[in-house]
Amino acid sequence: GQQLNQSPQSMFIQEGEDVSMNCTSSSIFNTWLWYKQDPGEGPVLLIALYKAGELTSNGRLTAQFGITRKDSFLNISASIPSDVGIYFCAGPFAGGTSYGKLTFGQGTILTVHP
Amino acid sequence: NAGVTQTPKFQVLKTGQSMTLQCAQDMNHEYMSWYRQDPGMGLRLIHYSVGAGITDQGEVPNGYNVSRSTTEDFPLRLLSAAPSQTSVYFCASSYRTAKPYEQYFGPGTRLTVT
Repeated sequence: GQQLNQSPQSMFIQEGEDVSMNCTSSSIFNTWLWYKQDPGEGPVLLIALYKAGELTSNGRLTAQFGITRKDSFLNISASIPSDVGIYFCAGPFAGGTSYGKLTFGQGTILTVHP
Repeated sequence: NAGVTQTPKFQVLKTGQSMTLQCAQDMNHEYMSWYRQDPGMGLRLIHYSVGAGITDQGEVPNGYNVSRSTTEDFPLRLLSAAPSQTSVYFCASSYRTAKPYEQYFGPGTRLTVT
């Protein structure tokens, strides 16, 4: 089946540092999404990307849809303690009738030290 | 709007018991889905529905049943619980045609099977 590989698996950073994480796929995606999961909660959509090369920001977060359509990147600038959580990339299952079926990466666990 | 609600929040079952995890949404979303989350494995799709009366299997459907009699509700049934079904279960919903991959998640049900 389709696999999304996220890296790194975990990060320990100091408050104020910038963060970069990425997601790669063995197949081409037409949509990339980034979700964040706070401890004990369900995932929340951060950014959705729909076009190769697209760069989209949401506050201190910036995500890019890779030109090859097989990767995506998420950057967080000037991290704060509430950035703690698990960050997931996601993309559609292959197939024209997949509608909202998503496949997820294994997640990047972010810890921010004050 | 309450968004996506799930009950119960926590549940402990003995092997062989059955139960139903409830999911409801008040956003008039056509698409609803169930995922399970296990450590280091991201979220995996169990079953999904593109509208009332229509359901289909995801990646890991074995041991689970679903039905969709109304737009609002999408219960997940475990017929005979097994320890391998110990996990955190998330329900999600989205519009079917407009941005179907931008899904809203519920808070999750934490299930332990002993």
